[in-house]
Amino acid sequence: SQTIHQWPATLVQPVGSPLSLECTVEGTSNPNLYWYRQAAGRGLQLLFYSVGIGQISSEVPQNLSASRPQDRQFILSSKKLLLSDSGFYLCAWSRRPPQAYEQYFGPGTRLTVT
Amino acid sequence: LAKTTQPISMDSYEGQEVNITCSHNNIATNDYITWYQQFPSQGPRFIIQGYKTKVTNEVASLFIPADRKSSTLSLPRVSLSDTAVYYCLVALDNNDMRFGAGTRLTVKP
Repeated sequence: SQTIHQWPATLVQPVGSPLSLECTVEGTSNPNLYWYRQAAGRGLQLLFYSVGIGQISSEVPQNLSASRPQDRQFILSSKKLLLSDSGFYLCAWSRRPPQAYEQYFGPGTRLTVT
Repeated sequence: LAKTTQPISMDSYEGQEVNITCSHNNIATNDYITWYQQFPSQGPRFIIQGYKTKVTNEVASLFIPADRKSSTLSLPRVSLSDTAVYYCLVALDNNDMRFGAGTRLTVKP
């Protein structure tokens, strides 16, 4: 069976500090990978998605970046965090088309920027 | 990208059937309609997906009229554990999916 891991589960970082969140998927190969952010009481905002190693599509201009160094590893980074970066960060994977429609989400990382 | 509109919140009681309607007037020919459920501090969970008419699984039913400009998620005999946010998404594939604010369903005893 497939599993998706995210760490850390919670993180408190000062403004201006760097960030690195990691997501890994097990039990599948060549997945599509996604990073979402959810502000308190809001819907999910798609930040990045990747259809393969080294292939990253950015949805929203921001001070965040993503990388996919391995097939089942997806990393979200920032060089300098802003207060507005606080939120619940979710990683998700899906199969490639024609079975791409269901996304499987990880447990999330709750980031608080102080 | 098709935009969806759904009620911000709904209340229900245990044992009732709940219907949440989503409007997507500019849905494209190849778009699918997908519903997710999200509990607090968890990622969304896929509920059901359809293209037209009716789809049913062990959790819910999805009704889609012929013009596909709306869809209705039906949850039979809800329980307290169905209290969650429900998202309606319309997209050709996952890379086009956008989660809105969703519908916050509260089931009362």
